[in-house]
Parts: sequence; C-alpha cells; structure tokens
Amino acid sequence: GESVGLHLPTLSVQEGDNSIINCAYSNSASDYFIWYKQESGKGPQFIIDIRSNMDKRQGQRVTVLLNKTVKHLSLQIAATQPGDSAVYFCAESIQGAQKLVFGQGTRLTINP
Amino acid sequence: KAGVTQTPRYLIKTRGQQVTLSCSPISGHRSVSWYQQTPGQGLQFLFEYFSETQRNKGNFPGRFSGRQFSNSRSEMNVSTLELGDSALYLCASSQTTGGAVDTQYFGPGTRLTVL
Repeated sequence: GESVGLHLPTLSVQEGDNSIINCAYSNSASDYFIWYKQESGKGPQFIIDIRSNMDKRQGQRVTVLLNKTVKHLSLQIAATQPGDSAVYFCAESIQGAQKLVFGQGTRLTINP
Repeated sequence: KAGVTQTPRYLIKTRGQQVTLSCSPISGHRSVSWYQQTPGQGLQFLFEYFSETQRNKGNFPGRFSGRQFSNSRSEMNVSTLELGDSALYLCASSQTTGGAVDTQYFGPGTRLTVL
C-alpha cells in the first residue's frame, strides 16, 4: 500500500555540522517527492521538491537525493543553524495526483 | 503574495456538533487540499478541490466533506463530531492547472478540539 516512512524519528546534530534526514517509500509509481519543515504551532513549510526523472536537486543550503532503485529519499542540510530545529517530513505523490502521502516525520535538534 | 490563510485558528466543539473550517489559497492558486494532522496518525490527506470539483479523496468517513467556490476559496465541514476528530486541520494550495503535480503550500492550520 501507500506508505512513506522515516528511518530515524529523532536526529541531534552540532551547530555548523551537516544534517542528513532519510526517508523510505514503498510505491514504485511515486513520481514526485517533497520535503517540509514544521515548527511548533505552524503549518508545514516547503523546503525542496524533486520529480522522479531527477536524482538530485539543490537549493539554498539543502540538497535532496532520490534513489529510485532502493526507493530512498534524503534531505541534506549544510551548516545547520539553530533555526533549522524542527520536524521534517518527506511526502510523495503517486502518478501525478495532487495528493501527498506523508512520512511520520523526523525531529531535528541542533546542539550549540 | 499573501500566504494561505485559514480561519478560525482555534475551535472548541462538543461531540455531536458540526464544524466548518475555511481556507483562502494563495492568489492565483486553483487547487486546494485539506489534511488532518494528529500525533497518532500524522498527516493524512482528506481531499483536494480544483475548479470547484473534488478531484482526489482520502480515506475518511462521509462526515468529512468540503467544497470550493469560484474564487478558489474552500471550506471543509465535519458533521457529528467525535473525540477522535480533535486535530490540526491544514489547508494547502497549489498553482496546478490540471497537469503534473505542483508544489503545495500550507496554511497555519485550524486547531480543532472536540470535548
């Protein structure tokens, strides 16, 4: 069935280090993937997205990698800052449907 | 551009009542999706509207319904509220014209508490 899961529910990193958040998906028909950041009391904030015809996409301090062979998605955050502390969600869309299936989320904590 | 707005931000209801939540999408966005977020189930898709038509639907009972107006604003309704309906209800809009899936931008949500 449709499911998107995360390998680690919590991640703690030192300020200035790079963070990598992983996500596994199960549906081979998924063709669009997206990462959101959610801070306490707020709605999910768009970070970066990638379509299945790409393996990598870069934004400002963030990179998303897609490995369709093993159905794995990752979000890399460079030089993490205190403001990066939040819960990060990956989500997938299947066959172009404007309907997202979300993972459980990973809480990222930045240590000073 | 202003972001997605949702009203009200907080709502307290009792079991058996009904509730209507409102969402105004980003200007120019024609697709509006609704999600329910709970600690136990996470973020779950409710439904999506495009050009006043429900285009996609999640696995929620018929007590959950929605509609979209000609100006793309959307409302969702929950009838006969149950304790388990307590959640953060999120609205997201996207610019999609009906082709490939497009980025969804979320509003701040409406926190519904059912007593």
